Amino acid sequence: RKEVEQDPGPFNVPEGATVAFNCTYSNSASQSFFWYRQDCRKEPKLLMSVYSSGNEDGRFTAQLNRASQYISLLIRDSKLSDSATYLCVVETTGRRALTFGSGTRLQVQP
Amino acid sequence: DGGITQSPKYLFRKEGQNVTLSCEQNLNHDAMYWYRQDPGQGLRLIYYSQIVNDFQKGDIAEGYSVSREKKESFPLTVTSAQKNPTAFYLCASTGTAKGDEQFFGPGTRLTVL
Repeated sequence: RKEVEQDPGPFNVPEGATVAFNCTYSNSASQSFFWYRQDCRKEPKLLMSVYSSGNEDGRFTAQLNRASQYISLLIRDSKLSDSATYLCVVETTGRRALTFGSGTRLQVQP
Repeated sequence: DGGITQSPKYLFRKEGQNVTLSCEQNLNHDAMYWYRQDPGQGLRLIYYSQIVNDFQKGDIAEGYSVSREKKESFPLTVTSAQKNPTAFYLCASTGTAKGDEQFFGPGTRLTVL
């Protein structure tokens, strides 16, 4: 079983739609959680950290459920510029290196 | 501007040759990392270093070597022992607080012919 699992997609949605991505992680010692965005052939960039209380940044909302070891990302009012691959990322206690999911590809269509 | 630089952006090598990828950061970060990404996959950790003159193997260290002689620099050597070296290589660095963001360099695409 992969340490971080995501649905690879692609999710094809029209502009203005709301889309949700889910992610599960297997290591209960994981302590920090993130969503990164990666554009085609570019490096990943931090979209947002994910906190137990949930957090929102504009059109983006992230949720963490430690009991179920589950992380989600909600994007409201999708824009064409949101088209990218979204990587679910977990940092595990000890080595401070990140474990990446394989990513969920989003394509927002006009 | 602070950031991470990787060079070159594209690299071609013949099979059996060792090749060294450069990674430099001016963010004053203690920790640096090397990841590999294959098409349609997430990043996998090769090596990491949390302090100068010290480094640890990641999940896929076989066929790779690193050094950390200076805080700013963490070069990665892809040796001829690496069976499938063609990939996108990403270097990252981070501060010391839990949950600190990892910043990535622009990556090097290595193609072994």
